[in-house]
Amino acid sequence: DTEVTQTPKHLVMGMTNKKSLKCEQHMGHRAMYWYKQKAKKPPELMFVYSYEKLSINESVPSRFSPECPNSSLLNLHLHALQPEDSALYLCASSQDWTSGGHEQYFGPGTRLTVT
Amino acid sequence: RKEVEQDPGPFNVPEGATVAFNCTYSNSASQSFFWYRQDCRKEPKLLMSVYSSGNEDGRFTAQLNRASQYISLLIRDSKLSDSATYLCVVKYRGGGADGLTFGKGTHLIIQP
Repeated sequence: DTEVTQTPKHLVMGMTNKKSLKCEQHMGHRAMYWYKQKAKKPPELMFVYSYEKLSINESVPSRFSPECPNSSLLNLHLHALQPEDSALYLCASSQDWTSGGHEQYFGPGTRLTVT
Repeated sequence: RKEVEQDPGPFNVPEGATVAFNCTYSNSASQSFFWYRQDCRKEPKLLMSVYSSGNEDGRFTAQLNRASQYISLLIRDSKLSDSATYLCVVKYRGGGADGLTFGKGTHLIIQP
């Protein structure tokens, strides 16, 4: 099973709302990722978790707050977002981050619209 | 920042033809290489990893040229369903922020 699931599929939120995106994988992968993707652009790496610890934060604004409750779950908490944060948010996982096994498997994404 | 460059295309190719495109990377301290395909409004899907000796999966062949720092993807007998954006991904040694870099993608359109 190479499935990564994400919920919700679509999310519309106002600039004062607080919401969370959820991601789950059951492949035993120890690295999980959040990406942001705008139309006609490649995915931009936001965060990397390795063994449930935050390894990479790509200078992401604090209105995005990641959380890794356990090795299968990854959340992204959203607060006070701006309209320019509207994008497709992709979660991915891979076997590991620093050593081998870097094939990433992506979830279907959450399409976020900030109004 | 380490760069991964791709020709954005679009490559317009008739069905049944062979098409190839390259991806160049800027830093020789590279570890792993991958091709992903992404359909419009969908997530990237792993197409194939690229191994030093080159590898083939059905109609798809991937090659790595470390001396010239590029990887290539060859698609034979192209199908309409091959129309997609093909993303090159390079994983560099270590776990730093530049560790995983995506190219901007090559847009392929297979025409009937």
